[in-house]
Amino acid sequence: DADVTQTPRNRITKTGKRIMLECSQTKGHDRMYWYRQDPGLGLQLIYYSFDVKDINKGEISDGYSVSRQAQAKFSLSLESAIPNQTALYFCATSDPRQAQETQYFGPGTRLLVL
Amino acid sequence: KQEVTQIPAALSVPEGENLVLNCSFTDSAIYNLQWFRQDPGKGLTSLLLIQSSQREQTSGRLNASLDKSSGRSTLYIAASQPGDSATYLCALYPFGGNKLVFGAGTILRVKS
Repeated sequence: DADVTQTPRNRITKTGKRIMLECSQTKGHDRMYWYRQDPGLGLQLIYYSFDVKDINKGEISDGYSVSRQAQAKFSLSLESAIPNQTALYFCATSDPRQAQETQYFGPGTRLLVL
Repeated sequence: KQEVTQIPAALSVPEGENLVLNCSFTDSAIYNLQWFRQDPGKGLTSLLLIQSSQREQTSGRLNASLDKSSGRSTLYIAASQPGDSATYLCALYPFGGNKLVFGAGTILRVKS
């Protein structure tokens, strides 16, 4: 089984709808992240959480919110989706106790907002 | 503000060729630099991580180098194979920062 899972894998929604993307991990990592990827722009950080009680905005948090329900779960919400939120969304985890901390990514959620 | 640039944006080579992917960054104050591979539908996988104090890391046919003074890193792939076809992303942790800064990636196609 994959260590970091994302649901749904693909989603089509309409402008103005509320949508939630979910991320679960079995790695036991405290740190979790949400990114979006647009063609030609690399990954941009939306929100990150260093533990259940710690939530921080990334570089492009406007229009998004998150919830860290447990160590293993980190959800991203679009309160009122708009077309320019069409993108590929990735969740990631990391463990600062590792000598060389790297991030482990989920498979991504492809979102289309019409 | 740290910026990461990857050149070329896309590369197509015949199987067996040795190749180099380039990554440049504007601020040499970094904690580490990583190379990731991205396959469609499978997310990102970390290939190599170079700490700030290191010059290079090797894993199988892959070798990554880091030159902080010139703000450059290269990923060398020896004897390329069709299975190497993917998008390769460079990312770094700035000193005093708490997030990875990514380049836009290089799309590699190895033709059989």
